Amino acid sequence: AQSVTQLGSHVSVSEGALVLLRCNYSSSVPPYLFWYVQYPNQGLQLLLKYTSAATLVKGINGFEAEFKKSETSFHLTKPSAHMSDAAEYFCAVGNSGAGSYQLTFGKGTKLSVIP
Amino acid sequence: NAGVTQTPKFRILKIGQSMTLQCAQDMNHNYMYWYRQDPGMGLKLIYYSVGAGITDKGEVPNGYNVSRSTTEDFPLRLELAAPSQTSVYFCATCGSYNEQFFGPGTRLTVL
Repeated sequence: AQSVTQLGSHVSVSEGALVLLRCNYSSSVPPYLFWYVQYPNQGLQLLLKYTSAATLVKGINGFEAEFKKSETSFHLTKPSAHMSDAAEYFCAVGNSGAGSYQLTFGKGTKLSVIP
Repeated sequence: NAGVTQTPKFRILKIGQSMTLQCAQDMNHNYMYWYRQDPGMGLKLIYYSVGAGITDKGEVPNGYNVSRSTTEDFPLRLELAAPSQTSVYFCATCGSYNEQFFGPGTRLTVL
């Protein structure tokens, strides 16, 4: 079984400030981990993914995430927030076991950027 | 390369009506999924398919049906629409490392 917890359903940051969105997971096998972004009235777009290579993963739009096995975490960061980063962000976990192709999603964190 | 496409974008149904949500992909992926998204609840898996002719239930299948006759298409059928089925529906496919690629969604209201 696998699960995802995103801490904070809403996060507000000032433009230019650090963005930190938290994600903790549980998985009985080595996980694959993902962050998705959803802009209003759109589908989910893949931001970045961890698939057991480098623990620090860089994604699109200046975002990155670090896989920490000891903390079962995969937090998303960006050094300087832009207004265009305002969106909802979803963390998801899949497992690397053969034949497993399902993802479990967190409930999402809505990011607001204050000018 | 269109990726994952969904039609219609919006639909209003009356209670008891039926409809089919269409999903098509040109990525040649075997795995396809239907999710519903409700505010504050994340995504819930309705049905998925591992290839043409093979489908299976997800977390919330009641009230829905699917079929998969080709690799490209994965329609979702609502037989007797209920207000509880008011939601945004997303279709997705799966790539090499379990990453999923989503369509733009269908916003359904049942009145």
